[in-house]
Amino acid sequence: DGGITQSPKYLFRKEGQNVTLSCEQNLNHDAMYWYRQDPGQGLRLIYYSQIVNDFQKGDIAEGYSVSREKKESFPLTVTSAQKNPTAFYLCASNQRRGAANTGELFFGEGSRLTVL
Amino acid sequence: GENVEQHPSTLSVQEGDSAVIKCTYSDSASNYFPWYKQELGKGPQLIIDIRSNVGEKKDQRIAVTLNKTAKHFSLHITETQPEDSAVYFCAATPNQAGTALIFGKGTTLSVSS
Repeated sequence: DGGITQSPKYLFRKEGQNVTLSCEQNLNHDAMYWYRQDPGQGLRLIYYSQIVNDFQKGDIAEGYSVSREKKESFPLTVTSAQKNPTAFYLCASNQRRGAANTGELFFGEGSRLTVL
Repeated sequence: GENVEQHPSTLSVQEGDSAVIKCTYSDSASNYFPWYKQELGKGPQLIIDIRSNVGEKKDQRIAVTLNKTAKHFSLHITETQPEDSAVYFCAATPNQAGTALIFGKGTTLSVSS
């Protein structure tokens, strides 16, 4: 079935460690996104990529890094510079409508990161 | 950049009642307004969307209205059912290359039977 796969579903990290969250899609979508979800904060945009080898910072990019070497993959690294990394992370993708990214956004089931 | 405000943060209704969730946005260039439903432990899913050339759109028990002059849009759910209980997010984005959806903070809807 087509969709977005995020792994791992749950992840525990010690302070000072970097961790990478995986996101893979087989929908042949051009654009991919990472959002962070905290209670009462909604979905906040971390990074997004409209095309391979290109990505843009979202509203809360500090302490995170991404790469887009393949169309189907958009991994997110949470670095030790991220002050409060415990959160639920959602990856999404969509197909552009013309020049804009207003096609339906499809989400993965999320990765919950806990820093001990 | 775009900023989306969503109210209320929680909403409790009786089964069969209507529920209304309201959002305002700041960027007058925004012209795409989707609504997403998130069930516990899952990623959000699109339930309805509206574009700026339309004032209202309906899909069975759900409808969305848009007032571009006032920069607000609303989700209406009629004849609510327990399975409507979830977190609902509104979002907005300009129809321009290089932009992404900006979401409101969400509304937790509880429908009691």
